[in-house]
This record gives sequence, C-alpha cells and structure tokens, in this order.
Amino acid sequence: AQTVTQSQPEMSVQEAETVTLSCTYDTSESDYYLFWYKQPPSRQMILVIRQEAYKQQNATENRFSVNFQKAAKSFSLKISDSQLGDAAMYFCAPNAGGTSYGKLTFGQGTILTVHP
Amino acid sequence: EPEVTQTPSHQVTQMGQEVILHCVPISNHLYFYWYRQILGQKVEFLVSFYNNEISEKSEIFDDQFSVERPDGSNFTLKIRSTKLEDSAMYFCASSETRDRDRAFFGQGTRLTVV
Repeated sequence: AQTVTQSQPEMSVQEAETVTLSCTYDTSESDYYLFWYKQPPSRQMILVIRQEAYKQQNATENRFSVNFQKAAKSFSLKISDSQLGDAAMYFCAPNAGGTSYGKLTFGQGTILTVHP
Repeated sequence: EPEVTQTPSHQVTQMGQEVILHCVPISNHLYFYWYRQILGQKVEFLVSFYNNEISEKSEIFDDQFSVERPDGSNFTLKIRSTKLEDSAMYFCASSETRDRDRAFFGQGTRLTVV
C-alpha cells in the first residue's frame, strides 16, 4: 500500500514570510500525480497545487510552488508571502497511479499557523 | 467553479441505525469517491466508483457499507448498521478522469453516531 509521510505536524510562519511543508511518499509506479490540498476550519478540501510525476518542471500556482524530487520521492510545498488566509491544515496526497482508479492517499497533515 | 454538493451537512444517528449520505457530483465527471476523516486524523479512502460499479475499495469499506448511483446525478453512501466508530466527516469527491485531473471535494457530511 502507498504510504505518505508529512513529518511536520505543525508549522508556523509570520505573515509575508515563506514557509515550506514537507512530504515524502512511497510508490512503485513511474507515472502518477501528486496534489496538495488545504483544509481550513470549515473542513472543506481545497486543491492548492498539482504536479505530474513525468514533468521535471516544478509546478507553480501564484504564491504556491512545489519542490518535486522524483528519485527521492519528495514533494514539498512552498508558500511565499504568507497570508492570514493560508492558515489551515495542509495534506499531501499522491494519486496511486497504475491500476488504481484515482485513489488519493493522504498524509497525516500539517497544521499551518500564520502570525500577523 | 463547479461544485460537488453533499447533504446533509450534519447527521446524528443512533447506533445500529442505517444512514444514507447523499452527494451530487459534478455533471460531466465519471469517477466518484467517498473518503472519511475521523476528527483529528488523516483523510482515508473508502471507495471509488466508475461505470456503475465499484472500482476499488479499502479495508474500511466492509459489508456494512454500500454505494449507489440511483440516477444520473446522485451518488450515495449507505451505512447499514452504524457503530460509534463510524462517527467522522465523510467527503464525496468526483473527477473527470482517473488520474491527471484534480478531484473536486464536497463540503462533507459530519456523521455523529450516539
């Protein structure tokens, strides 16, 4: 079974600063997709960013970017110019790939606190 | 942006009762999923559904659980005889394709078993 590890249960950052959330995963597939989801206190799951494993270029979405290291099976999320609205639980979620029908495997999550 | 809609937002039920959680996926999506999140824990996959049948299910999805797409728009999760440990937030999700597209999540149904 695929495993996903988010080693930082909690992180904090000052408003306007940069923070990086780490994620490592295990898979035997060569082609798959990786996602970061944000879960604010409302508990809605909101997509932050997506990365295709076959692409070497790291995905970027406005203030959010990833550092994808395929060989190391690492997929970290960098948030630049942090805003108060970024405060939430963040989940790393690779898509299993292969014969799996789109199943996402979630990490334990990282609670991000943003200080004004 | 299109939305996945779940009802009810909160359901309280007595242990041993049957519950049905409702979801309306995005209309052109073909893949449907249920996940659950026990309070304070990670989100866990329950089941995926494609072409009117279960594609994959987890160990959690035992005989007490079933899913159905009774018409062209709804996607339901039934728990036949609820247990206290079924208390969780249940998320429905849908995606257009199997892999590359993002899964759109509903806002969740909080199930409380008393």
